[in-house]
Amino acid sequence: DAKTTQPNSMESNEEEPVHLPCNHSTISGTDYIHWYRQLPSQGPEYVIHGLTSNVNNRMASLAIAEDRKSSTLILHRATLRDAAVYYCILRANAGGTSYGKLTFGQGTILTVHP
Amino acid sequence: DSGVTQTPKHLITATGQRVTLRCSPRSGDLSVYWYQQSLDQGLQFLIHYYNGEERAKGNILERFSAQQFPDLHSELNLSSLELGDSALYFCASSVGRDSYNEQFFGPGTRLTVL
Repeated sequence: DAKTTQPNSMESNEEEPVHLPCNHSTISGTDYIHWYRQLPSQGPEYVIHGLTSNVNNRMASLAIAEDRKSSTLILHRATLRDAAVYYCILRANAGGTSYGKLTFGQGTILTVHP
Repeated sequence: DSGVTQTPKHLITATGQRVTLRCSPRSGDLSVYWYQQSLDQGLQFLIHYYNGEERAKGNILERFSAQQFPDLHSELNLSSLELGDSALYFCASSVGRDSYNEQFFGPGTRLTVL
């Protein structure tokens, strides 16, 4: 699986936007970019995913660089509930026996200050 | 609530013993994934089942085995337990097996081996 690089930690204030970066310079043309987060004492939770175009959903936005070597997860207004570990994950597309799994890295610990 | 249920929530056992962890996927989901989360290894993929068939294996020890039953629930069997097997075990489900399908995680089973 192609690797991702994320900052170990980031901090934000409540009500402010947060931009969580992810580098994935070895991404292949068919890899999907997924973001999951894990709140304290809970299982991981899906946030958003994309392939080439920017994506928006009720939780966040995903901005993907034109060369796909990096992406940014955007939380438009951080709340205390958004404090979690955020994982940027590349998922190989269908065709191999391991394409369904999620390969978690260390992720970014997001702290949100009131 | 993701719709994925795992039992038991907590399990305390002794070295050398055998335990079974159970997972019920969301209604309609055909894929079940098992992950292990420990302090030193982070979140690691163990195994993936799709509609009763094993699809992919990750870092799963030979002492561990899993199966998915016709009603789509899954069990992870851990035998000859060692202290190092103490971890959180998560089950996740998805509707299909493709890389664009989001995975829904259960609350986990915390295993403590004494």
